[in-house]
Amino acid sequence: DGGITQSPKYLFRKEGQNVTLSCEQNLNHDAMYWYRQDPGQGLRLIYYSQIVNDFQKGDIAEGYSVSREKKESFPLTVTSAQKNPTAFYLCASSPIPSSYNEQFFGPGTRLTVL
Amino acid sequence: QKEVEQNSGPLSVPEGAIASLNCTYSDRGSQSFFWYRQYSGKSPELIMSIYSNGDKEDGRFTAQLNKASQYVSLLIRDSQPSDSATYLCAAPGFQKLVFGTGTRLLVSP
Repeated sequence: DGGITQSPKYLFRKEGQNVTLSCEQNLNHDAMYWYRQDPGQGLRLIYYSQIVNDFQKGDIAEGYSVSREKKESFPLTVTSAQKNPTAFYLCASSPIPSSYNEQFFGPGTRLTVL
Repeated sequence: QKEVEQNSGPLSVPEGAIASLNCTYSDRGSQSFFWYRQYSGKSPELIMSIYSNGDKEDGRFTAQLNKASQYVSLLIRDSQPSDSATYLCAAPGFQKLVFGTGTRLLVSP
């Protein structure tokens, strides 16, 4: 079954902790993206990567970090510097690193700060 | 900053009616547009892509693109309660897609 998986589905973080969200795809897509969605709001781009070992900041990168060591994996770390991390985090991938191509989303991780 | 705008709704239609969802975009050079459906608590699902002026039909869904007016719409024929969701419009930005905030559709039985 081809697709995008994210884990965990739910994640709880204490103040001051770093947490890492997993995103894996077996679609052989070149580009991968991380978005954040807050209740009643649209998607905001955190980071994106068009090729392995390269990534760019999106609109709200502060307090987040990523890596792209393998084509199929794009983990996101939410650091303690992120002031308001409670949100729904969505990973997406696209077959070609171009904004003219559709993106496909994973099921998401819901992060709550206690 | 390239923008995509949608009415947040909710748009309420009775079962069996046509639902019309609209989206405007700021970049006159945009070449492709995408409609996503997002059920409450779930991730967005791609339902339509449109790349040229005119209409594109897929089952009960029709996407309409008017580049001169910078306007893209999604029509849902024979609306069903299961179509109740938030519909996101997306257009190309620089190396990324720009998403609208979505229109919430409510289909009443």
